[in-house]
Amino acid sequence: AQKVTQAQTEISVVEKEDVTLDCVYETRDTTYYLFWYKQPPSGELVFLIRRNSFDEQNEISGRYSWNFQKSTSSFNFTITASQVVDSAVYFCALREGGTSGSRLTFGEGTQLTVNP
Amino acid sequence: GAGVSQSPRYKVTKRGQDVALRCDPISGHVSLYWYRQALGQGPEFLTYFNYEAQQDKSGLPNDRFSAERPEGSISTLTIQRTEQRDSAMYRCASSLARLAGGPLTDTQYFGPGTRLTVL
Repeated sequence: AQKVTQAQTEISVVEKEDVTLDCVYETRDTTYYLFWYKQPPSGELVFLIRRNSFDEQNEISGRYSWNFQKSTSSFNFTITASQVVDSAVYFCALREGGTSGSRLTFGEGTQLTVNP
Repeated sequence: GAGVSQSPRYKVTKRGQDVALRCDPISGHVSLYWYRQALGQGPEFLTYFNYEAQQDKSGLPNDRFSAERPEGSISTLTIQRTEQRDSAMYRCASSLARLAGGPLTDTQYFGPGTRLTVL
């Protein structure tokens, strides 16, 4: 069965520091998809990125970057020069491929607090 | 364009009452999902639909929970005889989905959720 582990429950940094959120996943499928979502204090769940299992190329979007490594089953998320507005709970999620298994399996989330 | 909407945003009910939670997906999205999120945890899958067909309901915790999507658009999640342990955030998501025999790859976009409190 699929599983996502976010070992860091809470992280606190000072503004402008870089911070990396860890995500480790387990799946027996060869085709799968990985996601990151952001849940700000207002409570909504905001999609950040999707990565499929065949594409290990790292991605950068502004201050955000993602490092996907199949060898270690990890999909880590780095925020460069963090800002107070980055304070939120961040969830990593996994979807197994194929015609079934459309559900997302989420990790427990990492609460990031960026202090001014 | 408009995102996923859910109503009500907050629902307080007494134990034993039935509740109905509504989800209006993004226009044109084929797939609709329901998740439940307890405080301090990640969302957990409940059920999902492609058009009006319920494809997977294995996440529904017991037979007090049911969902429907009769016209392939709006969906209702119903909880009968609510219990205090049902208190949680109920989230709906939708995705475009690709159904031509290939994997379902599309991103799920979430609504604001319904915060259910059972007294």
